[in-house]
Amino acid sequence: ETGVTQTPRHLVMGMTNKKSLKCEQHLGHNAMYWYKQSAKKPLELMFVYNFKEQTENNSVPSRFSPECPNSSHLFLHLHTLQPEDSALYLCASSQALHPDGETQYFGPGTRLLVL
Amino acid sequence: KQEVTQIPAALSVPEGENLVLNCSFTDSAIYNLQWFRQDPGKGLTSLLLIQSSQREQTSGRLNASLDKSSGRSTLYIAASQPGDSATYLCAVSTGANSKLTFGKGITLSVRP
Repeated sequence: ETGVTQTPRHLVMGMTNKKSLKCEQHLGHNAMYWYKQSAKKPLELMFVYNFKEQTENNSVPSRFSPECPNSSHLFLHLHTLQPEDSALYLCASSQALHPDGETQYFGPGTRLLVL
Repeated sequence: KQEVTQIPAALSVPEGENLVLNCSFTDSAIYNLQWFRQDPGKGLTSLLLIQSSQREQTSGRLNASLDKSSGRSTLYIAASQPGDSATYLCAVSTGANSKLTFGKGITLSVRP
C-alpha cells in the first residue's frame, strides 16, 4: 500500500451521467495529481494541486472538473464524457512541488468505462 | 516538447538473467528521472529517482543510470525473478511543477 487510496476502483457510466472519482492520501503530503492512462499511450498528467491551489491544467476538456477541498483529498468530477475518455485514472501525491522534483506516490487507479 | 521513448515495448527473459531496460528522452533539461513499476490493474510504485546532478542510483537488485547529455537512462535488474514481471515506466521531470513526462513502458515477463 502506498498510502494513496482511490474510489471507486471500477466505474461504468453513460455519456449523460455525472459521477465523481475520489482520491485520499494519508501521507501528509501537500501536492496532488490526476493522471490519465489510456491503452497504448503514455501516462498523461491532467491536473496538479499544491496546498489546495491548482497549479497545472494540462489542456484538459471542461467535462473533467477537479476539486481539492484540502491537502488530503482530491476529486475529479465527470460529466457528459465520451467513449474515448475510457481509461485508468490515477491519483498521486508528493510532499510538495519542488524544483528538483519529488517522488510521487500513486493510488491504484479507477478503471473508467464510458458507454 | 519533451518526449520519452522506451524500446522494446515488451521483453521476455528466463529467470536468473541480468537485464537492461532502456529509456531515452529528447530534452536534456530535466530536473530528475524516475523509474516506476506497474503491476496489472494497479497503480505505479516508485523504484528509483535520479536527480539531474547524479549519475546512478541503486536499490537492492536494481541499478538505474542517467546520462543527461545523451538523453538516456538504463534500469539494470540483476538475477531476474518471476516476481519482477511487470511494466516498467520511465518518467522525466521537466518543470518546477514536478511535471512528469512518461514513456509508454516496457512489459517484462520473467519465465520460471
